[in-house]
Amino acid sequence: GQNIDQPTEMTATEGAIVQINCTYQTSGFNGLFWYQQHAGEAPTFLSYNVLDGLEEKGRFSSFLSRSKGYSYLLLKELQMKDSASYLCAVMDSNYQLIWGAGTKLIIKP
Amino acid sequence: GAVVSQHPSWVICKSGTSVKIECRSLDFQATTMFWYRQFPKQSLMLMATSNEGSKATYEQGVEKDKFLINHASLTLSTLTVTSAHPEDSSFFICSATSWRAMETQYFGPGTRLLVL
Repeated sequence: GQNIDQPTEMTATEGAIVQINCTYQTSGFNGLFWYQQHAGEAPTFLSYNVLDGLEEKGRFSSFLSRSKGYSYLLLKELQMKDSASYLCAVMDSNYQLIWGAGTKLIIKP
Repeated sequence: GAVVSQHPSWVICKSGTSVKIECRSLDFQATTMFWYRQFPKQSLMLMATSNEGSKATYEQGVEKDKFLINHASLTLSTLTVTSAHPEDSSFFICSATSWRAMETQYFGPGTRLLVL
């Protein structure tokens, strides 16, 4: 079956760095997405990785290893507004999105 | 974990036809379902929120007569794209929440619509 795993909840301190991991087993692979979702709002697109390696975009970076079925989202210089759920989703061979359950990130002062 | 399915996964249709997309919660009762639209590499845009047995609440700018939403049961919501045109082509994603965990949305796999 198809499966996406990510931690349920993580806590970090303002100004610090946090890494949210995502492992996947899917039927084919057409890219991995990271979204940020604040409570009561629609998910916001953060990144899309289809090739191995690190993609950096400001304070956020996303890494992909297709051979390991693994990705992480790295958030630097954490701010209180980064408190949100972070969703990992993989597009399979049929171009269907397989969603992780999301990681709730709590930022403490 | 909670599972949400969508049917069909792909739709190719001629301009002027209507297309119905189903969203089902397979192992829980979805008191609220959300419909989103997504263009490539963009954020999901919320189209409407529907509660079982009541009319959907549409976001500003979404045409109610164009995108008909029905949430007739606790496990099924449908989105009908009426008189589809090529500019309606996009990826439609639904999500569902249950009264047990209102803060958690379970997302469907999406339906890709291509209007020729």
